[in-house]
Amino acid sequence: KAGVTQTPRYLIKTRGQQVTLSCSPISGHRSVSWYQQTPGQGLQFLFEYFSETQRNKGNFPGRFSGRQFSNSRSEMNVSTLELGDSALYLCASSAGTGGSYNSPLHFGNGTRLTVT
Amino acid sequence: GQQVMQIPQYQHVQEGEDFTTYCNSSTTLSNIQWYKQRPGGHPVFLIQLVKSGEVKKQKRLTFQFGEAKKNSSLHITATQTTDVGTYFCAGPDTNAGKSTFGDGTTLTVKP
Repeated sequence: KAGVTQTPRYLIKTRGQQVTLSCSPISGHRSVSWYQQTPGQGLQFLFEYFSETQRNKGNFPGRFSGRQFSNSRSEMNVSTLELGDSALYLCASSAGTGGSYNSPLHFGNGTRLTVT
Repeated sequence: GQQVMQIPQYQHVQEGEDFTTYCNSSTTLSNIQWYKQRPGGHPVFLIQLVKSGEVKKQKRLTFQFGEAKKNSSLHITATQTTDVGTYFCAGPDTNAGKSTFGDGTTLTVKP
């Protein structure tokens, strides 16, 4: 089985711009979670989607949004970028149906976003 | 909210030495997961422990879940340079519907 695929791998954006990141989960996985990883804050949960519905959301401002399509692929959007948004954004899919926290998370390679 | 703490933050060992990282939760956990992230890579799932007092082994790695299901440990016997990376534990925060990750322990191994 192919793993979780995230595109693009690297992005450089300017403050105020917006960005869209893409994630294709492992085939058959309906849960997709997004995490932000920074050296100072570690792995922070953004949100989880299951069957096209946002099931849970972390403590991030409304500039961070996402969606999931009928084929379970997911996108994450960040609007009005700030310098502090520079991070590695990781997508993870899981096979569980009762909550991503009860099943192993399979992470993609991540998208490295740099905001200048 | 739920907190998951890991110690130590960094560990430098000579190849062949043992290594242990500890994970403590502020709440009782239904399970605990361990992940490894190589430098420049992404977290990779290692194992999930569910039962109180559970001990699981993967070659030179031994994982333990505490009796009270609030702490866990990962022990590596006779480290090798391939063990280099950051080891994370993660516990479920059922109220928030997410996995809470510890800050990780970064292991470096000197050949």
